[in-house]
Amino acid sequence: TQLLEQSPQFLSIQEGENLTVYCNSSSVFSSLQWYRQEPGEGPVLLVTVVTGGEVKKLKRLTFQFGDARKDSSLHITAAQPGDTGLYLCAGGGPSGGSNYKLTFGKGTLLTVNP
Amino acid sequence: EAGVTQFPSHSVIEKGQTVTLRCDPISGHDNLYWYRRVMGKEIKFLLHFVKESKQDESGMPNNRFLAERTGGTYSTLKVQPAELEDSGVYFCASSQGRLRTYFGPGTRLTVT
Repeated sequence: TQLLEQSPQFLSIQEGENLTVYCNSSSVFSSLQWYRQEPGEGPVLLVTVVTGGEVKKLKRLTFQFGDARKDSSLHITAAQPGDTGLYLCAGGGPSGGSNYKLTFGKGTLLTVNP
Repeated sequence: EAGVTQFPSHSVIEKGQTVTLRCDPISGHDNLYWYRRVMGKEIKFLLHFVKESKQDESGMPNNRFLAERTGGTYSTLKVQPAELEDSGVYFCASSQGRLRTYFGPGTRLTVT
């Protein structure tokens, strides 16, 4: 069974601070996706990383896929209250597969205080 | 373009009753998925349709759950009879091929 461990589970910071969320597994995934979920809504895709060592940037968000494709991180620079939400990582696979069957982490609930 | 829609948004039923959840995927998306999040746990895969065919139903908890997608359009997920542990948020999602997966807002099911 493939599992994704996310940390921290909860994070409360002040506006302007930087933060990093981690997503770790003992299994290899063909791709790693990061989602953001707002209350009462479904997860919304932020980014997909597929190559070991890959780094993608989305404005103030930086996503990295580990060299061995077992872990990933999300770094937010100068967090803003609008960044508040539940961040989920999800692994696609099995290896050689795709996004057809996603394995999710439990999520990181981020609160950015003004 | 309309997103994935789910009905109802909330459902409260008693143990032993039957509930049917509906999902309307994005038009033209052949792939339709059901996921579930039980309180305190991660979102878990239930099953995957390609058009009207069940491609993978390895995540279905037991035979009290029945999913259908007649005609390859909308899908229903029926729970009969419902048990307390079936409470959670049921998400439907759809995609076209291996492209991006779009999730619906979910149906919150409470079994009392």
